[in-house]
Amino acid sequence: GQQLNQSPQSMFIQEGEDVSMNCTSSSIFNTWLWYKQDPGEGPVLLIALYKAGELTSNGRLTAQFGITRKDSFLNISASIPSDVGIYFCAGGDGSSNTGKLIFGQGTTLQVKP
Amino acid sequence: DAGVIQSPRHEVTEMGQEVTLRCKPISGHNSLFWYRQTMMRGLELLIYFNNNVPIDDSGMPEDRFSAKMPNASFSTLKIQPSEPRDSAVYFCASSAGGVDMNTEAFFGQGTRLTVV
Repeated sequence: GQQLNQSPQSMFIQEGEDVSMNCTSSSIFNTWLWYKQDPGEGPVLLIALYKAGELTSNGRLTAQFGITRKDSFLNISASIPSDVGIYFCAGGDGSSNTGKLIFGQGTTLQVKP
Repeated sequence: DAGVIQSPRHEVTEMGQEVTLRCKPISGHNSLFWYRQTMMRGLELLIYFNNNVPIDDSGMPEDRFSAKMPNASFSTLKIQPSEPRDSAVYFCASSAGGVDMNTEAFFGQGTRLTVV
């Protein structure tokens, strides 16, 4: 079945540093979504990408939809302590016409003040 | 809108008991998803519905798990009988469904299930 490989698995950085994480797949996806999960909460949508090559920003977050449609990355600039959490990528193939998403394994981010 | 609402937030039950988790999707959304999250396996899609009809239940672990969606505003996930290995956080999510712009799924806060 379809799988997403997300890396790195975890990151421990200093406040103010930039962060980069990515997802790759052997399958083509028509949409890429990035979520953040805080402890004890459900994942919250950060950025949605719909076109190959698309580069989208949301504040300090920037994400790109790979041109091959098999990968995506998320960058966080000037990290702050509240960026701590688990970040998930998710791909939607659209073929089912029902919005089904496949999730990566997550990247756990820790920020040292 | 209040978002996706799940209940209960926490459930502790004894092995062998029946457990029912509940979900109210966002009004107007026509796709509903049940996920299970564990440290070992991450976020696993168990089953999803479109227009109240189960589309894919291949992620349901075994016959002890069942899910229903009797109407557009309510779904249940039932485990009977429950086992300790079912301990996990169960999430419900909903989306408008369809291609492109409608694949954005919104999650509830989850139900943390502990089976002792």
